[in-house]
Amino acid sequence: AQSVTQLDSQVPVFEEAPVELRCNYSSSVSVYLFWYVQYPNQGLQLLLKYLSGSTLVKGINGFEAEFNKSQTSFHLRKPSVHISDTAEYFCAVTTQKLIFGAGTRLAVHP
Amino acid sequence: GAGVSQSPSNKVTEKGKDVELRCDPISGHTALYWYRQSLGQGLEFLIYFQGNSAPDKSGLPSDRFSAERTGGSVSTLTIQRTQQEDSAVYLCASSLGTSADTQYFGPGTRLTVL
Repeated sequence: AQSVTQLDSQVPVFEEAPVELRCNYSSSVSVYLFWYVQYPNQGLQLLLKYLSGSTLVKGINGFEAEFNKSQTSFHLRKPSVHISDTAEYFCAVTTQKLIFGAGTRLAVHP
Repeated sequence: GAGVSQSPSNKVTEKGKDVELRCDPISGHTALYWYRQSLGQGLEFLIYFQGNSAPDKSGLPSDRFSAERTGGSVSTLTIQRTQQEDSAVYLCASSLGTSADTQYFGPGTRLTVL
């Protein structure tokens, strides 16, 4: 069985500061890894995904994530956040259906 | 092109009534998924259709929940004898079919059971 743990339920940060949202996964088989974002009152949108190859994956809006197989992690980072990045972020694994973490609410303050 | 659409956007019903939620996937997508998002349980997988294969119903929480996909396109999720714990946002997603393919989500149907 697969599972995903997002270590922080909420992350407050000031505008233009760097941010890291942590994600650890558990799986007995190879999985694909995803980060989705949900802006207030909107649907889920893909930020980035890791399938294979380079462990550093770049996504939309300046986000990137690094796959670390030995630590079973897939942390999401952005070097400088904007107010508009305020949203809930979900890490997920899939062997077909998506198994989501509980989500991390990123709050960017001016 | 059009994305995944869902209807209705909001549904308020009384406990014990049946409800039907509709999903129109992206044209050409062979895989269709239903998920549920609720405060207590987060985002949960419900059911998955792939082409003409038998659906994966492993996430359905009880036999009150069922879904069908007609003609390989539109899907309907039916909840019979609704309970208050069924209140949630029901999300539909579609993809090209493999597990590596991105799932594109609809805006969801917010179900409130009074």
